[in-house]
Amino acid sequence: EVQLVESGGGLVQPGRSLKLSCLASGFTFSNYGMNWIRQAPGKGLEWVASISSSSSYIYYADTVKGRFTISRDNAKNTLYLQMTSLRSEDTALYYCARHDVGSYGFDYWGQGVMVTVSS
Amino acid sequence: DIVMTQGVLPNPVPSGESASITCRSSKSLVYKDGKTYLNWFLQRPGQSPQLLTYWMSTRASGVSDRFSGSGSGTYFTLKISRVRAEDAGVYYCQQVREYPRTFGSGTKLEIK
Repeated sequence: EVQLVESGGGLVQPGRSLKLSCLASGFTFSNYGMNWIRQAPGKGLEWVASISSSSSYIYYADTVKGRFTISRDNAKNTLYLQMTSLRSEDTALYYCARHDVGSYGFDYWGQGVMVTVSS
Repeated sequence: DIVMTQGVLPNPVPSGESASITCRSSKSLVYKDGKTYLNWFLQRPGQSPQLLTYWMSTRASGVSDRFSGSGSGTYFTLKISRVRAEDAGVYYCQQVREYPRTFGSGTKLEIK
């Protein structure tokens, strides 16, 4: 069974940093591209970043470029999101999701981890 | 960036009726391989989004055939036949034609 489990969220002050993790199981992690998507309270979905299977290709939303870094460790089956210079508008539920090779269908999602940026 | 614009449903929809959700993109989502890179998701209350269709009209594994996607390069429709209570939630379209990936703002479906 495919599982994606996020961790590392919490309450953090503006300007500080936080690192999210997404532990994958039930599939060959190194064969799939991965993504972070966030959802502010009561709002819609916002794509944050994507990374290819071998980390050769990385893309960011303009709203996080220069502040967030997506990475992965295929030996540990883990996806990361390093978040720095956090702002109140980064407050959201952060999901990791796998995308299918070829179709880019985001076919499996984690349960999400909450990040609250507040003083 | 490609802007995705979703329509509004006349809620609530009576159980057993059909519902059509629309989505428009600011640029064609047809790639040079001829495929249309448009995903549909359902997010039920309190749950993570679930992929319904990809390549505009291909149903994801395990998705009921009551869900069908169609459209052109810039205008898309997700039709839900014989709606049930379990279909309630917010539906999102997403383009994966290019980066940055972008979602529509969501369309809420309520069932009567």
